[in-house]
Amino acid sequence: GENVEQHPSTLSVQEGDSAVIKCTYSDSASNYFPWYKQELGKRPQLIIDIRSNVGEKKDQRIAVTLNKTAKHFSLHITETQPEDSAVYFCAASINQAGTALIFGKGTTLSVSS
Amino acid sequence: NAGVTQTPKFRVLKTGQSMTLLCAQDMNHEYMYWYRQDPGMGLRLIHYSVGEGTTAKGEVPDGYNVSRLKKQNFLLGLESAAPSQTSVYFCASSYPEMEQYFGPGTRLTVT
Repeated sequence: GENVEQHPSTLSVQEGDSAVIKCTYSDSASNYFPWYKQELGKRPQLIIDIRSNVGEKKDQRIAVTLNKTAKHFSLHITETQPEDSAVYFCAASINQAGTALIFGKGTTLSVSS
Repeated sequence: NAGVTQTPKFRVLKTGQSMTLLCAQDMNHEYMYWYRQDPGMGLRLIHYSVGEGTTAKGEVPDGYNVSRLKKQNFLLGLESAAPSQTSVYFCASSYPEMEQYFGPGTRLTVT
């Protein structure tokens, strides 16, 4: 079955710096790769996603890149702000039907001002 | 429009007791999911459903059962609770191959 590895587990940056979180997946049939942000005590919320027919997607300060050959995808946050501090999860769909997701173990991002 | 709701928000069980967690969504989503979240383990898929009357196993299905009798509801059952099932349980729903919307979570403690 699908396995998703996420690194690093913790990341500390200064306000204004960039942050990069990387994930690898094992099932070449996966075709949907979302990223979720979870603040303390809250539910996960989607921040950006990418499908296998696209190499890169950007939304303001957030971008995601996908390398299907290497089976890895990354989240890039530029000009980080204290409110970006949260746990970030990557995920991959378990099959081509995209019926369910397998999540990485999460990255705790801390942005200090 | 309430989105995804979960009942109850908190529960404490003794080992061996049973309970049912209820998830309801008002977005007419076909797909529904149950996850558990433990510290350092991320979100792990327990069971999911791609339509009324259908269910499938996820990564960690043992000790849990589910039912999807109505499109808007997805029930998660624990027949004989164990301390290892202490966790935060999240329900989610989505259209096929689209964003999953999560409920607020249920914090379950088994003593």
